[in-house]
Amino acid sequence: DVKVTQSSRYLVKRTGEKVFLECVQDMDHENMFWYRQDPGLGLRLIYFSYDVKMKEKGDIPEGYSVSREKKERFSLILESASTNQTSMYLCASSLPGTGKIYGYTFGSGTRLTVV
Amino acid sequence: DQQVKQNSPSLSVQEGRISILNCDYTNSMFDYFLWYKKYPAEGPTFLISISSIKDKNEDGRFTVFLNKSAKHLSLHIVPSQPGDSAVYFCAAIFRWAGSYQLTFGKGTKLSVIP
Repeated sequence: DVKVTQSSRYLVKRTGEKVFLECVQDMDHENMFWYRQDPGLGLRLIYFSYDVKMKEKGDIPEGYSVSREKKERFSLILESASTNQTSMYLCASSLPGTGKIYGYTFGSGTRLTVV
Repeated sequence: DQQVKQNSPSLSVQEGRISILNCDYTNSMFDYFLWYKKYPAEGPTFLISISSIKDKNEDGRFTVFLNKSAKHLSLHIVPSQPGDSAVYFCAAIFRWAGSYQLTFGKGTKLSVIP
């Protein structure tokens, strides 16, 4: 069964900390994405990557950066966590072609709380 | 500016009846539309999709209808079951830099009452 695995289900961090959220997929997908989900705001794209070492800004990249050193791993970095980054973070992946019909495969999410 | 809109944040339906979730879009260049289902504390899971050249796609209890002239799609669930209670996201595919991206609506929370 194909999988997107996010390293933590729940995280609590302090304001100002540097936070790493890790995502690994075992499907050999080229495309990987980071979203955040907030009540009433739906799913908003933070960053995405179409290949190793490539990254593109999504709709809300401010306060975030990403790293993709290997095809299977896509990391989201909060350089200095703030309370307004408290959210559910979702990683997803897809193949360039099948994403058109089947969409993305999502991980289970990381619920981050910044205190 | 939101290109995919789900105007109903919530919907309640009796078990066994039909659930109809609606979605409107603004970009006529979208070429595929998808519905995702999301339970709390889980990632969204793909439910059903429809090509922009079709007007209907059916998969078991789930049917998606597309009205291109109205830029409107809907998801019908018949019969509704308590396990269908979840947040449903409408999404549209557009082509970007040689690949495809999804843009999502804000979601509709469906509650199926036993």
